[in-house]
Amino acid sequence: DIQMTQSPSSLSASVGDRVTLTCRASQTIDTYLNWYQQKPGKAPNLLIYAASSLQSGVPSRFSGSGSGTDFTLTISSLQPEDFATYYCQQTHVTPRTFGGGTKVEIK
Amino acid sequence: QVQLQESGPGLVKPSGTLSLTCAVSGASITTINWWSWVRQPPGRGLEWIGEIYYSGSANYNPSLKSRVTISVDKSKNLFSLILTSVTAADTAVYYCAKETLDGGMPRFDYWGQGSLVTVSS
Repeated sequence: DIQMTQSPSSLSASVGDRVTLTCRASQTIDTYLNWYQQKPGKAPNLLIYAASSLQSGVPSRFSGSGSGTDFTLTISSLQPEDFATYYCQQTHVTPRTFGGGTKVEIK
Repeated sequence: QVQLQESGPGLVKPSGTLSLTCAVSGASITTINWWSWVRQPPGRGLEWIGEIYYSGSANYNPSLKSRVTISVDKSKNLFSLILTSVTAADTAVYYCAKETLDGGMPRFDYWGQGSLVTVSS
């Protein structure tokens, strides 16, 4: 299985901050990398697919980059509704695997 | 608008069988998508269980493969999950999700709201 490692596991930030989350794959996955946002008690919501493509309806302050094994999700200016847990996922092969998540909390 | 809705018992006894159904509306289950199950134990991360194509072809997580069956009912536009020999470790919120293959880059673009299944006597 491909292991997905996210860092940090949590971070504290303020509204308006630029935030960067990292995801690393245990082997190359080209750009088969997706990012999801999950709020408590809710299902995950797709933000970015194919490493850098913005899902329809997602604010442009979210962006993704990377290829191969190293990827980042950037929130250019953190908004109150962005405090949540973020997961990366590889869909290069089955089993599909998710990272352990990064929880973004209010400073 | 595509919607997915999980249904099934919220409580299953240890060593019993967990059975969930995901009803799909707003899209035909026979379109070019995979239909997946994902679970999330309380306070923990996401685990992919497996997926099925409308033809009946399925892929499973090796960690669960011996206990999992995913099936599809095209006439009812739904797919189902069966997990046998459950233990407390199978307690989780179970999500069904649509995996779109548009552009050759798979991603889970629609999710159900989730169904909490507790394994307890």
